Amino acid sequence: GNSVTQMEGPVTLSEEAFLTINCTYTATGYPSLFWYVQYPGEGLQLLLKATKADDKGSNKGFEATYRKETTSFHLEKGSVQVSDSAVYFCALSLTGAGSYQLTFGKGTKLSVIP
Amino acid sequence: DAEITQSPRHKITETGRQVTLACHQTWNHNNMFWYRQDLGHGLRLIHYSYGVHDTNKGEVSDGYSVSRSNTEDLPLTLESAASSQTSVYFCASSESKGGAYNEQFFGPGTRLTVL
Repeated sequence: GNSVTQMEGPVTLSEEAFLTINCTYTATGYPSLFWYVQYPGEGLQLLLKATKADDKGSNKGFEATYRKETTSFHLEKGSVQVSDSAVYFCALSLTGAGSYQLTFGKGTKLSVIP
Repeated sequence: DAEITQSPRHKITETGRQVTLACHQTWNHNNMFWYRQDLGHGLRLIHYSYGVHDTNKGEVSDGYSVSRSNTEDLPLTLESAASSQTSVYFCASSESKGGAYNEQFFGPGTRLTVL
């Protein structure tokens, strides 16, 4: 079956530190990959996505590259801010007719301290 | 602007009571989903619908039901609430294009406590 594995949290970083959150996946087929962010007390919102191998998704200083050879989609940011404190979810969706579900990882909580 | 809303935002109920959580979207999306979020489990899919009168079970559907009578609404009913159903519930919707277009738009969540 399809699955997404994220690094265990919580992750605590100082402001301006470099961030990496690892995500690997298993999929029967050729998935699209997503990162969602959940700020405290809110629902999830899409942060970035990639649809094919070697694609790089980017948004708000965050980046992730679709690596088919390592089945990975690691999230990175060069300099985190306190406002980036949130829970981050990696997810996949299979292409093809009728494939509308997302498979989520368990989430990684990030805390950024001043 | 299009949006997805959930009500109530907070609910406290007693074991054995029937509870209905509302979800309303104005995106005109065909697909709607209900998840529960618990520490250590991330998001788990309860039920989903790909159109009016269509409903399907997710991985944790026992004790829950949904019905889809129009495009905008997918209410989630807990037939007889149990303490194990204390959780935060999220509704989401998406278009029917598949693949990279499977971006789901989430509501703000309902925090349900079953005493």
